[in-house]
Amino acid sequence: QQQVKQSPQSLIVQKGGISIINCAYENTAFDYFPWYQQFPGKGPALLIAIRPDVSEKKEGRFTISFNKSAKQFSLHIMDSQPGDSATYFCGAGGYQKVTFGTGTKLQVIP
Amino acid sequence: DTEVTQTPKHLVMGMTNKKSLKCEQHMGHRAMYWYKQKAKKPPELMFVYSYEKLSINESVPSRFSPECPNSSLLNLHLHALQPEDSALYLCASSQSRGDQPQHFGDGTRLSIL
Repeated sequence: QQQVKQSPQSLIVQKGGISIINCAYENTAFDYFPWYQQFPGKGPALLIAIRPDVSEKKEGRFTISFNKSAKQFSLHIMDSQPGDSATYFCGAGGYQKVTFGTGTKLQVIP
Repeated sequence: DTEVTQTPKHLVMGMTNKKSLKCEQHMGHRAMYWYKQKAKKPPELMFVYSYEKLSINESVPSRFSPECPNSSLLNLHLHALQPEDSALYLCASSQSRGDQPQHFGDGTRLSIL
């Protein structure tokens, strides 16, 4: 019940397009869902996070959509830029720890 | 610049060596974490310290020994490692709980010969 499934594994998007990454979790006790961005040679950095009491959260070009009944959530990157090219990890967990999804390598081409 | 500092950035060691990884944060965080990350894989939690006490050990082999000397420092002592232990070791901290933003260091790249 600790697994977090993430798709797609890789994604190529044109500059200015919308990047969409999906995650699904199993443990209904999870109540914290962050998204992290990782560049090569760097540690992950928190982008945005959501709690299950809201269905959507937006910060700048980044939006999380959350569907509690389906146990799914997604990251939307609007107006994708080449600088967004990185690996993205979703996470799910609670007050003790977060389990990460398998990761999505995003490439934004000019 | 990251607010979590890890040293060394790279480490090469033999299977019989003893070495330590160090992690330091000055954000006043009371939860600290060690993760292991293999290439093209997500970070895998190894240990969690909460208020300087070990709260989670994810069934990590005893050749990895964590230590939290004070609220700002976290060490990972390594002994008799195996080649499969070669990975990026990441340290992170959060204010006090796992469901708060975790700040990661840039990791120590460990290679076991």
